[in-house]
Amino acid sequence: GIQVEQSPPDLILQEGANSTLRCNFSDSVNNLQWFHQNPWGQLINLFYIPSGTKQNGRLSATTVATERYSLLYISSSQTTDSGVYFCAVERTGRRALTFGSGTRLQVQP
Amino acid sequence: KAGVTQTPRYLIKTRGQQVTLSCSPISGHRSVSWYQQTPGQGLQFLFEYFSETQRNKGNFPGRFSGRQFSNSRSEMNVSTLELGDSALYLCASRFRAGTYEQYFGPGTRLTVT
Repeated sequence: GIQVEQSPPDLILQEGANSTLRCNFSDSVNNLQWFHQNPWGQLINLFYIPSGTKQNGRLSATTVATERYSLLYISSSQTTDSGVYFCAVERTGRRALTFGSGTRLQVQP
Repeated sequence: KAGVTQTPRYLIKTRGQQVTLSCSPISGHRSVSWYQQTPGQGLQFLFEYFSETQRNKGNFPGRFSGRQFSNSRSEMNVSTLELGDSALYLCASRFRAGTYEQYFGPGTRLTVT
């Protein structure tokens, strides 16, 4: 099956710092999503981005499908950004999301 | 538009029992998928239903089953519970399979003792 690797696994930042999370995947995909898992376990949709670039406030994401990677940028981080960020992909024709292991982000005041 | 809802939110069962979890998708969404999250295995796909038919199944034993009703609501059942079935079970919906993003519910946290 498709492999999804996220880096770094853990990240500690000071409030106000910027960060870049990376997601590499091993096959062609028709769906790529970034999620933030809140402390209660719910996956919050950040971006649906099988290709191209999107921005939403302090967050932005870029997917280069031909090179099989996606980046999530967090600027001016806040303590509320803490949590686990997941990248998930759906291989063309597979009809199921495959998740990476996540990046655990801790933003310190 | 209301989000994906799951019931119950928390559940404690004993080994050998069975359990049924419920998921109501976003209104108009016809595809429902189930995922299991554990500390050791991470997030893994269980199965997907579309138009009351199972369209895809993950690598889980036959003790895990599901169904979808005509109103797109879905249930999953786990029989003969094992300690390793303790997990967060997440349901996701989307308008139709293969093209659009998935939206997740809050999950059901199952503890097997």
